[in-house]
Amino acid sequence: GENVEQHPSTLSVQEGDSAVIKCTYSDSASNYFPWYKQELGKRPQLIIDIRSNVGEKKDQRIAVTLNKTAKHFSLHITETQPEDSAVYFCAAPGTYKYIFGTGTRLKVLA
Amino acid sequence: KAGVTQTPRYLIKTRGQQVTLSCSPISGHRSVSWYQQTPGQGLQFLFEYFSETQRNKGNFPGRFSGRQFSNSRSEMNVSTLELGDSALYLCASSSISPGTSGNEQFFGPGTRLTVL
Repeated sequence: GENVEQHPSTLSVQEGDSAVIKCTYSDSASNYFPWYKQELGKRPQLIIDIRSNVGEKKDQRIAVTLNKTAKHFSLHITETQPEDSAVYFCAAPGTYKYIFGTGTRLKVLA
Repeated sequence: KAGVTQTPRYLIKTRGQQVTLSCSPISGHRSVSWYQQTPGQGLQFLFEYFSETQRNKGNFPGRFSGRQFSNSRSEMNVSTLELGDSALYLCASSSISPGTSGNEQFFGPGTRLTVL
């Protein structure tokens, strides 16, 4: 069935360190993988996405990598800052929907 | 362009009542999806509408229903409310179709429903 597993569920890092969140999907036909950031009390917002024809995409301090063979994709945040503290969701496409991971609560400690 | 809007933002109901939530997508977007968000369960897919047709439905009881109007605005209804229905209900719109076409979904601010 359609499933996305996300780890870890919580992650605490010191300011300036890197954070990595990993997701695994089940449908080998999946070809688009977005990452959403949800700050406390706010709506989820897309921060980066990757399509299956590339293995890595970067946007300033944020990068996403994709391993289609292993059905893994990961979010990498470098030089973390307090404003990076939020819940992060990965997603994979399903039939007329996105299947979301269960979320990772990232805390950046000053 | 105005973003996705949802009304009301907050709602308090009692068990057994019913509730209707509204979502207005971004102008030009024809797909509207609904999600239930609870602290322990993340974002659970409820249903997706496109051009007034429900194309997919999540694993929720029949008490949860929805519809979409010709202007793409969507409503969801929950009848016979239970305590466990307390959650943040988010809608999201996209231009064509979420999922395999790789179209970004834009979320609304959500309606926080509390069932007492």
